[in-house]
Amino acid sequence: GEDVEQSLFLSVREGDSSVINCTYTDSSSTYLYWYKQEPGAGLQLLTYIFSNMDMKQDQRLTVLLNKKDKHLSLRIADTQTGDSAIYFCAESIGDYKLSFGAGTTVTVRA
Amino acid sequence: SAVISQKPSRDICQRGTSLTIQCQVDSQVTMMFWYRQQPGQSLTLIATANQGSEATYESGFVIDKFPISRPNLTFSTLTVSNMSPEDSSIYLCSVNSPRAGFTEAFFGQGTRLTVV
Repeated sequence: GEDVEQSLFLSVREGDSSVINCTYTDSSSTYLYWYKQEPGAGLQLLTYIFSNMDMKQDQRLTVLLNKKDKHLSLRIADTQTGDSAIYFCAESIGDYKLSFGAGTTVTVRA
Repeated sequence: SAVISQKPSRDICQRGTSLTIQCQVDSQVTMMFWYRQQPGQSLTLIATANQGSEATYESGFVIDKFPISRPNLTFSTLTVSNMSPEDSSIYLCSVNSPRAGFTEAFFGQGTRLTVV
């Protein structure tokens, strides 16, 4: 089955690192994605990782993948107020379709 | 990245009416996807729209309620028919960019629909 789970809320102090966690169930997922949604806006593709990789780094973003545990995380270094948003984890489920988690609302406090 | 334009960006509609949402992509793509995001919820795939064939609907979604057109490789429409307040959602169009082997999935800015 296709089921992606995320914690719903995360509060972080400005300048600290944020870590958003996600678990998925489809072991055949080829790609796993992180999207950002700001209030009133569409989805912005932040990064994605191929399932045969353990880690991917892109500037302030680090994605870690534990395929054995089907666990994905997104670390945002030096979190800024502009990082306040909803972050969605998604897994590919075949034919380029995506299954999304419920989203983690990240609030950055001064 | 693929540039995806959706129209309208938002609308308020009367129950029982229909709304057609347009999605225009700046490059030719084989598959286009329509998702729904209900208030405070995650995204759910409605259907896959392939050019030259009938759309493929996910469980819980039917063609009579959500007819889709795909007249060419850069354009698609989704109609929300006979609307009720439960159809109030954000509807998003998505494509996979041919760059990097179609691994990158991009979304339009969405159409925010309110049914009253």
